[in-house]
Amino acid sequence: DAEITQSPRHKITETGRQVTLACHQTWNHNNMFWYRQDLGHGLRLIHYSYGVQDTNKGEVSDGYSVSRSNTEDLPLTLESAASSQTSVYFCASSDGPAIQYFGAGTRLSVL
Amino acid sequence: SQQGEEDPQALSIQEGENATMNCSYKTSINNLQWYRQNSGRGLVHLILIRSNEREKHSGRLRVTLDTSKKSSSLLITASRAADTASYFCATGANTGNQFYFGTGTSLTVIP
Repeated sequence: DAEITQSPRHKITETGRQVTLACHQTWNHNNMFWYRQDLGHGLRLIHYSYGVQDTNKGEVSDGYSVSRSNTEDLPLTLESAASSQTSVYFCASSDGPAIQYFGAGTRLSVL
Repeated sequence: SQQGEEDPQALSIQEGENATMNCSYKTSINNLQWYRQNSGRGLVHLILIRSNEREKHSGRLRVTLDTSKKSSSLLITASRAADTASYFCATGANTGNQFYFGTGTSLTVIP
């Protein structure tokens, strides 16, 4: 069965370190998204991609970057982790403007 | 922000009762979706309603959409303890394939 997996599931890092969160999907979807979820804010869009070599900024992109070198993967990089980036991160994929399939999430703590 | 807002933020009902939650959004949309999130898990798609539809049913779920008021409602009939979760609306932009999620309604169904 097709799926979308995120790794790691939990990560603790220190302020200033670079962190990369992985997202891998086997749906063969062109569209991939990264969100962060915080209490009181719901899900907020960080970056998204509509295909290989395509990346776009979402609502809360400062301090984050993505790259899309193949269809299956969209890694999210925190260039210099800050305490404000402590959150739960979700990756999703979709085929067009329709249903999004979500990963199980990565809980990131920046100390 | 292009996020929608769900109302109420939290809802507690007895098993067997109906649960209604509302979503208001700000911009013109292509479609609107509802998702469920169980504690500690990713989001799961429930139902999609297009901008030219007014009502849609799926099992015990009934969704309405009023584009003139920029609002939608999700009705869960004959609720079960397993319906305990957070529910999010997501609005699809007129252009592009990205979605904007609301802040969620936390539903507790008491057995």
